[in-house]
Amino acid sequence: DSGVTQTPKHLITATGQRVTLRCSPRSGDLSVYWYQQSLDQGLQFLIQYYNGEERAKGNILERFSAQQFPDLHSELNLSSLELGDSALYFCASSGTLGQPYGYTFGSGTRLTVV
Amino acid sequence: GESVGLHLPTLSVQEGDNSIINCAYSNSASDYFIWYKQESGKGPQFIIDIRSNMDKRQGQRVTVLLNKTVKHLSLQIAATQPGDSAVYFCAENIAGNQFYFGTGTSLTVIP
Repeated sequence: DSGVTQTPKHLITATGQRVTLRCSPRSGDLSVYWYQQSLDQGLQFLIQYYNGEERAKGNILERFSAQQFPDLHSELNLSSLELGDSALYFCASSGTLGQPYGYTFGSGTRLTVV
Repeated sequence: GESVGLHLPTLSVQEGDNSIINCAYSNSASDYFIWYKQESGKGPQFIIDIRSNMDKRQGQRVTVLLNKTVKHLSLQIAATQPGDSAVYFCAENIAGNQFYFGTGTSLTVIP
């Protein structure tokens, strides 16, 4: 157990639907990062939050949004889902901003859009 | 975004042999690098890191080499074991911002 908790582990939904993925960071970590991993692809950075505020955006679609709550857990919302959104979605957390001593990853949520 | 690429998408080695996984990075300003291991169905797991002021760092059975001149990283695994079978990613970081990952190299250890 890495200390980063992601739910649900698996999600199957239809095109056009909306889903919410949840992440609880490791205790004490203030930064949360979301990554998308498609089949045979690397990890694509989506977005970063630090202590409730958005810090950086990567290749995140406009149909996707995220937020970090006061208790530091984060949610990634994916709407108007398309088949191509099927992927593994990882959350990672880290400690102090500017001290990238490595992320701690969760086990991921596998999203299948049918 | 950044570009972190891997020379070989797949690698097969005999159990007990040494493995070398290579990675090229594109941004000369990157100052911190990590190798991650991802086993099937799991999230990436930290293996070893190296800062840009170092050329080599050793861990338990693993060594990372950094060549800043050609912007190249390598991960060496000594006495490769079946449990080392996984996908290995290198990731680069610039000044404390988010990491950028490569596509990954799939390592298969043949018993």
